[in-house]
Amino acid sequence: QKEVEQNSGPLSVPEGAIASLNCTYSDRGSQSFFWYRQYSGKSPELIMSIYSNGDKEDGRFTAQLNKASQYVSLLIRDSQPSDSATYLCAVNIITDKLIFGTGTRLQVFP
Amino acid sequence: DTGVSQDPRHKITKRGQNVTFRCDPISEHNRLYWYRQTLGQGPEFLTYFQNEAQLEKSRLLSDRFSAERPKGSFSTLEIQRTEQGDSAMYLCASSAQGYEQYFGPGTRLTVT
Repeated sequence: QKEVEQNSGPLSVPEGAIASLNCTYSDRGSQSFFWYRQYSGKSPELIMSIYSNGDKEDGRFTAQLNKASQYVSLLIRDSQPSDSATYLCAVNIITDKLIFGTGTRLQVFP
Repeated sequence: DTGVSQDPRHKITKRGQNVTFRCDPISEHNRLYWYRQTLGQGPEFLTYFQNEAQLEKSRLLSDRFSAERPKGSFSTLEIQRTEQGDSAMYLCASSAQGYEQYFGPGTRLTVT
């Protein structure tokens, strides 16, 4: 079992819709959770971090963490074509190193 | 605040040659990380430093790879005797201790 799992997609949503991206992790000792956006050929860009159970909102983005079920999700409201990218879920367990999933490709069509 | 910078952005080298990459972190960040990313995969941890101390190295980091951060500021990653399997994007990130990691633009290595 991979430590961090994501559906590779593509996830296709129409412009203006809510995009829902999910991630599960295997280690119950996981402490911090991050979502990165990566455009093709570019490096990952941090968009959200979440450390405790519940929801965290930042603009159009909401991260949700459920440690009991070992999943973290990212909701993007009012999706725009510019949101089309690969979204990487990352977790750190004990040390500072991040363990990444393989990413979910999101396509927002006009 | 200037972001993380990496140099060079692209490197093409022949198999068997040595290459060195440089990373300059965000100035007040004391932690610096190296990751490697291949197509279709998430970044994979290689090593990280707190100031000049190398705190962790991945088991994936063969003895051909070495990293330094001599004065706790910039870092270099050297790959000796490159192999075609080393072709990847090499990413550097930095953080203030225990917090979010911010990535540089990466160095794309192609080994021919």
